Amino acid sequence: DQQVKQNSPSLSVQEGRISILNCDYTNSMFDYFLWYKKYPAEGPTFLISISSIKDKNEDGRFTVFLNKSAKHLSLHIVPSQPGDSAVYFCAASARGSNYKLTFGKGTLLTVNP
Amino acid sequence: SQTIHQWPATLVQPVGSPLSLECTVEGTSNPNLYWYRQAAGRGLQLLFYSVGIGQISSEVPQNLSASRPQDRQFILSSKKLLLSDSGFYLCARREASTDTQYFGPGTRLTVL
Repeated sequence: DQQVKQNSPSLSVQEGRISILNCDYTNSMFDYFLWYKKYPAEGPTFLISISSIKDKNEDGRFTVFLNKSAKHLSLHIVPSQPGDSAVYFCAASARGSNYKLTFGKGTLLTVNP
Repeated sequence: SQTIHQWPATLVQPVGSPLSLECTVEGTSNPNLYWYRQAAGRGLQLLFYSVGIGQISSEVPQNLSASRPQDRQFILSSKKLLLSDSGFYLCARREASTDTQYFGPGTRLTVL
């Protein structure tokens, strides 16, 4: 049972445009959500997070939106840059779970110059 | 600053051989530590986590085990490797003030 789903395995955008990466979850106990960026043969790098008490969090070019009723979150990158090309993972944790993270399978973002 | 080290960076082992991967953390005390595996084309799967010395919780029944002999050391082991143990193994620590986990550089394990 996949509790965190990233239904788009890949996404291609032009440099300077917006990248929107989507993530859906099924476990209503999840209350903290994170996005990670990963290059091949490296560990994931934390990008941005959001608590379930918020619906938006912004950090520079990165904004995460949370729609609790739809159990959906998205990561917006504006403007997209070629260096943003990587695999992006959505992750979630539930209070009282010892902070264990459940990950989606990732979306490969390619930003074309 | 807090740093996570993983050793070795890459490893090629024959089926049936033992395994020991090491994770060490600097700059923090009593961290929550986690072992994840990324198999080819898959997401990250939690294998083990530890909230303190000698305290190990297993998430997925499998051919692996974990130990935490010291506060800042987390070890992943196997007595006999299987082909299916191949993957990218990642150690992570939890930031004490949030639920955010930060990852080490990983170990690429290939079992032949």
